[in-house]
Amino acid sequence: DAKTTQPPSMDCAEGRAANLPCNHSTISGNEYVYWYRQIHSQGPQYIIHGLKNNETNEMASLIITEDRKSSTLILPHATLRDTAVYYCIVRVSADSSYKLIFGSGTRLLVRP
Amino acid sequence: SAVISQKPSRDICQRGTSLTIQCQVDSQVTMMFWYRQQPGQSLTLIATANQGSEATYESGFVIDKFPISRPNLTFSTLTVSNMSPEDSSIYLCSVRAKIGFGYTFGSGTRLTVV
Repeated sequence: DAKTTQPPSMDCAEGRAANLPCNHSTISGNEYVYWYRQIHSQGPQYIIHGLKNNETNEMASLIITEDRKSSTLILPHATLRDTAVYYCIVRVSADSSYKLIFGSGTRLLVRP
Repeated sequence: SAVISQKPSRDICQRGTSLTIQCQVDSQVTMMFWYRQQPGQSLTLIATANQGSEATYESGFVIDKFPISRPNLTFSTLTVSNMSPEDSSIYLCSVRAKIGFGYTFGSGTRLTVV
């Protein structure tokens, strides 16, 4: 089962920051948090991942709380093309592999 | 990151038949993953395919229904056997090509069973 819970939907205005929350209260010490997004009819696209430090790349920032029980994905200047389903995922270790188990995601709508 | 080519991109199949989906990666990878995405739903992991060993299936998925081959480090196939309309989904393969990078997904195979 997925270890994450996310709001089913959110919206934000174009040009503003989009802050997508995620709860993962049962995360273990060595489990990473990954964020992906899926635009209609396409495969999921990698955004960012982290363990305990905040991370930033050209797409987004990832803020992980000190107790690691929740995180926030920040899209600093949302555009209409950022409209997608965003998945927060805890990577789990099992059967000698690291697997991504998807939760239900947040449907983000960016308004003009 | 790795580039994945999945074939076919879509297909319409008769119930009771089988379809084999191919996943080709442009670099050698240890593990490949197969997912199913039912209409309007999130992705569900079917199995992990390791080269040189049997695939490991998630709860609710069995080898007889979803046999997987992994003949080398760049290729895998997933077969959907004895199909019914409930198997209508998008099937995606995924790989983790490089430590420190995310997992890459193919564009998926959209299967409709009639």
